[in-house]
Amino acid sequence: DIQMTQSPSSLSASVGDRVTITCRASQSINIYSNWYQQKPGKAPKLLIYAASILQSGVPSRFSGSGSGTDFTLTISNLQPEDFATYYCQQSYSTPFRFGQGTNLEIK
Amino acid sequence: EVQLVESGGGLVQPGGSLRLSCAASGFTFSNYWMNWVRQAPGKGLEWVANIKQDGSEKYYVDSVKGRFTISRDNAKNSLYLQMNSLRAEDTAVYYCARSDYQVLPHCDYWGQGALVTVSS
Repeated sequence: DIQMTQSPSSLSASVGDRVTITCRASQSINIYSNWYQQKPGKAPKLLIYAASILQSGVPSRFSGSGSGTDFTLTISNLQPEDFATYYCQQSYSTPFRFGQGTNLEIK
Repeated sequence: EVQLVESGGGLVQPGGSLRLSCAASGFTFSNYWMNWVRQAPGKGLEWVANIKQDGSEKYYVDSVKGRFTISRDNAKNSLYLQMNSLRAEDTAVYYCARSDYQVLPHCDYWGQGALVTVSS
């Protein structure tokens, strides 16, 4: 199975900041990585797929990059609604595991 | 509008069974792979299983193999998860999610979730 190791597990930032979350796959997954945002009590929401493609309707301050084993999610100009938990996921081979999550909190 | 609505969650004793359903609308259900993803209380997301458009391929995470069965009825636009021999560690909110494979696989729509509690 392919494991996804996400860091940091938590992050404090202020409105207007730029933050980066990273995810490392235990083996090469090409660009088969996705990023989701989840708010308390809500279902996850797709942000980025295929490493860097922005899902329709997602603000352009979200961006993704990477290939092989290392991937990043960057949020520029943080907005109040961006404080949430973020998960990476590999979709290269089943089981399509998620990273352990990054809790983005207001500083 | 794409909608996924789970039902069938509840309280069940260890060793018991439960069947979750997911009613899909707003898209051609038979054109999409479908998934179940779960989240234990206060924990992260765990992918559980997926099923191909025609039901001919099914994949599971090791922890549920032999106990859970994913299935679908394209005529009823419905996805199912039959859960047998339930354990306390299966307690979670279970989400159904649609997979878009047009570029690379990703879950683009999710239901609101159904809570399954395994406890005596």
